[in-house]
Amino acid sequence: GENVEQHPSTLSVQEGDSAVIKCTYSDSASNYFPWYKQELGKRPQLIIDIRSNVGEKKDQRIAVTLNKTAKHFSLHITETQPEDSAVYFCAASRGSARQLTFGSGTQLTVLP
Amino acid sequence: NAGVTQTPKFQVLKTGQSMTLQCAQDMNHEYMSWYRQDPGMGLRLIHYSVGAGITDQGEVPNGYNVSRSTTEDFPLRLLSAAPSQTSVYFCASTARGGGRGETQYFGPGTRLLVL
Repeated sequence: GENVEQHPSTLSVQEGDSAVIKCTYSDSASNYFPWYKQELGKRPQLIIDIRSNVGEKKDQRIAVTLNKTAKHFSLHITETQPEDSAVYFCAASRGSARQLTFGSGTQLTVLP
Repeated sequence: NAGVTQTPKFQVLKTGQSMTLQCAQDMNHEYMSWYRQDPGMGLRLIHYSVGAGITDQGEVPNGYNVSRSTTEDFPLRLLSAAPSQTSVYFCASTARGGGRGETQYFGPGTRLLVL
């Protein structure tokens, strides 16, 4: 089955700096890669996703890049704000949002 | 439109007890799933259902049963609770079809403590 590895497990940045979280996947047939944000005690919420027919996708301060050859994808958050502090999870699946394999999560702390 | 709801929010069980975690969605989604979330391990798929009457196992199904008698409800049963099942459980639902519309919506979670 699919295996998703996520790094780093914790990340601290100064407010206004950029943050980058990286994930690698093992199943070359995976072609859907969502990112979820989970605030303390809350449910995971989708923040951005990408399918394998594109290499990059942006939504305001958030972007995701995908390298299918190397089987890795990354989340980029620019101009970080304290409210960006949360746990971020990457995930991968074969074509749909239904059977996701998640990474282990990254605790992002944005220092004011 | 309440989305995905879960009950209870928090439960304490003794080893060997059984219980059912409830999950319901009002979005007419065909696909529903159960995950458990443990510290440092992300979310792991327990069971899923592609529609009423159809269920299948995920990554960590042992010790859990599910059924899907209606589109709206997808209960998760713990047959004989063990301390290893202490976790936060999330139910999720997804609409059928590909593209941007296929987002997985999570419920608020159930925190389970097995003593």
